[in-house]
Amino acid sequence: DAKTTQPNSMESNEEEPVHLPCNHSTISGTDYIHWYRQLPSQGPEYVIHGLTSNVNNRMASLAIAEDRKSSTLILHRATLRDAAVYYCILRDVDAGGTSYGKLTFGQGTILTVHP
Amino acid sequence: ETGVTQTPRHLVMGMTNKKSLKCEQHLGHNAMYWYKQSAKKPLELMFVYNFKEQTENNSVPSRFSPECPNSSHLFLHLHTLQPEDSALYLCASSQESLGQVDTYEQYFGPGTRLTVT
Repeated sequence: DAKTTQPNSMESNEEEPVHLPCNHSTISGTDYIHWYRQLPSQGPEYVIHGLTSNVNNRMASLAIAEDRKSSTLILHRATLRDAAVYYCILRDVDAGGTSYGKLTFGQGTILTVHP
Repeated sequence: ETGVTQTPRHLVMGMTNKKSLKCEQHLGHNAMYWYKQSAKKPLELMFVYNFKEQTENNSVPSRFSPECPNSSHLFLHLHTLQPEDSALYLCASSQESLGQVDTYEQYFGPGTRLTVT
C-alpha cells in the first residue's frame, strides 16, 4: 500500500468543526482512501472511504483533492466522544493482488477534544 | 452477541505457557484477520484468512499459530512467547468478494491485552 502522512496530533474544541489532513502524494489510480479511528481501549472502527469524489456519511465527510494527492476528514461538530486516533489508509482495489483484504496502518493523528 | 467478540479480554502468561486467543464474528463475513498493536507502534497485520484459507502470513514467528476452523471463528495459539510479545491483539473481519472493489470495511473486536512475564 502507498504511504500516507498525517500530523501526529491535533486539538479541537467541542462543537467546532475539525479538519484532519492526510497527504498521499504517491497514490495510484486504483487506491481507495480509507479512514478509521481508534477510541481509547477499543479496536479501530471504520469511518469513511472514497476514491475521487467527496463523500458524506453520518459520521464524517471526506474531501479529496482534485489530484488525489491529499484528503481531509471533516468532523462537522466535534464531541468529546470523537477524541481518538484517526488513521488515513490507502487501499488498493486489486482484489487479485497481495493487498487483498489488507490494511496498513500508520501512526495516525491523535485528536484531542476540549470541553 | 453482535459484531466481533474476543476472549479473553486480558491474559497474563509466562514464557513457558501455552494459551489461545479466540475471536468470533457474528456478521456473516468471509475474511478474518489478526493484528498486533504494541505500545508506541502502529497496528501490524499478522495473518489473513479468506474463505478459511490463510492468504497472508506477515513474517510472524512460529510461536504464533493461527487457526480458522470455520468462517466465524479464528484462534491464535500462543506458545513459548517472549516479553516483547506483550501487546494488544486485535481480530477483525470483513466481507471480501472477488471483483467487488468498493466495500472493504473491516470490523474490529475490542482486543485481548496480553502480558508475557
